[in-house]
Amino acid sequence: LAKTTQPISMDSYEGQEVNITCSHNNIATNDYITWYQQFPSQGPRFIIQGYKTKVTNEVASLFIPADRKSSTLSLPRVSLSDTAVYYCLVGDKQTGGFKTIFGAGTRLFVKA
Amino acid sequence: DAGITQSPRYKITETGRQVTLMCHQTWSHSYMFWYRQDLGHGLRLIYYSAAADITDKGEVPDGYVVSRSKTENFPLTLESATRSQTSVYFCASSARANEQFFGPGTRLTVL
Repeated sequence: LAKTTQPISMDSYEGQEVNITCSHNNIATNDYITWYQQFPSQGPRFIIQGYKTKVTNEVASLFIPADRKSSTLSLPRVSLSDTAVYYCLVGDKQTGGFKTIFGAGTRLFVKA
Repeated sequence: DAGITQSPRYKITETGRQVTLMCHQTWSHSYMFWYRQDLGHGLRLIYYSAAADITDKGEVPDGYVVSRSKTENFPLTLESATRSQTSVYFCASSARANEQFFGPGTRLTVL
């Protein structure tokens, strides 16, 4: 199973762009990279998923370099409501994804 | 309403008692999961299921039992609750294993 490493916590201010990097050195060929967001007292919520290069949706962007050994979740112009824990997961999208490990995640704190 | 629900939302029980946490999803997702989250920590996978009647162990299965006779239901049973099983339990479902939809959680306290 591919293990991920993320910073434990990050601070930011409202309106700034936040980039959270995740390392996954032993990512396998069939693995996808998925990010989740979790607010206090709620279950995690899917944010974005990608395999290579760049993926963008209405919430975030995901940058994945050619070697795929890391990925960066980019949150544009964060607000106070983006304060949450962000998890990076790596796993086979079709068959092995259910064995992925959430880990401790990155606690993002957005200040006014 | 469509979605994933868990019951009860809160449960207090005593050491040694059997407890069953319920999970129900209306999307007909193939995959279902049970996680526990201890205060200040990430989620740990207890059991998962790829389809009805197919279940397998995750990271921390000891002390738990699951079944999945119907696609939409995935109950989790603590056979003999212990204090170390005090936690928040999240159920999730997915059509694709890496894009999971989580329920609201069940906060379980074992006295």
